[in-house]
Amino acid sequence: RKEVEQDPGPFNVPEGATVAFNCTYSNSASQSFFWYRQDCRKEPKLLMSVYSSGNEDGRFTAQLNRASQYISLLIRDSKLSDSATYLCVVTPLGGSARQLTFGSGTQLTVLP
Amino acid sequence: DAGVTQSPTHLIKTRGQHVTLRCSPISGHKSVSWYQQVLGQGPQFIFQYYEKEERGRGNFPDRFSARQFPNYSSELNVNALLLGDSALYLCASSSFDGNEKLFFGSGTQLSVL
Repeated sequence: RKEVEQDPGPFNVPEGATVAFNCTYSNSASQSFFWYRQDCRKEPKLLMSVYSSGNEDGRFTAQLNRASQYISLLIRDSKLSDSATYLCVVTPLGGSARQLTFGSGTQLTVLP
Repeated sequence: DAGVTQSPTHLIKTRGQHVTLRCSPISGHKSVSWYQQVLGQGPQFIFQYYEKEERGRGNFPDRFSARQFPNYSSELNVNALLLGDSALYLCASSSFDGNEKLFFGSGTQLSVL
């Protein structure tokens, strides 16, 4: 079983739609959680951290459920510029934040 | 300020050869990590260096090695290249060995023929 599992998609949605991505992780001792965004042939960039209380950044909302070992990302009012691959990322308890474990990514295409 | 820089941007090698990839972190950053990203997969952790010492190693064979220099730049070396080593190799830097943001370089695309 992979440490971090994501639905690979692709998700094709019209502009203005709301889309949700899910991610599960296998190591219950995982400490930190993130969503990264990666554009085609580019480096990953941090989109947002994920906290147990849930957090929101503009049109993006991230949730963490430690009991179910489940992370989600909700994008509201999708824009064409949101088209990218979204990577779910965890770090192990006691491990360095630089030793990130990435999921395989979920591909999103926002259509005009 | 310059971001994380990696060289070369693209590289073509044949099986059995060796390769050296280079990374310069953001000025002031002392930690460098290396990741391998195979097409269609997420990046996979290879090594982390902090203050010139190895602080972590992922599940990669001994053909992979790395080092960090006094100026905090780093090299990743891969010997006896296999076709499966074809991937995007990403370097990331951060300022402290703690829980803070990683900055990725744009990577080196390695093709092994």
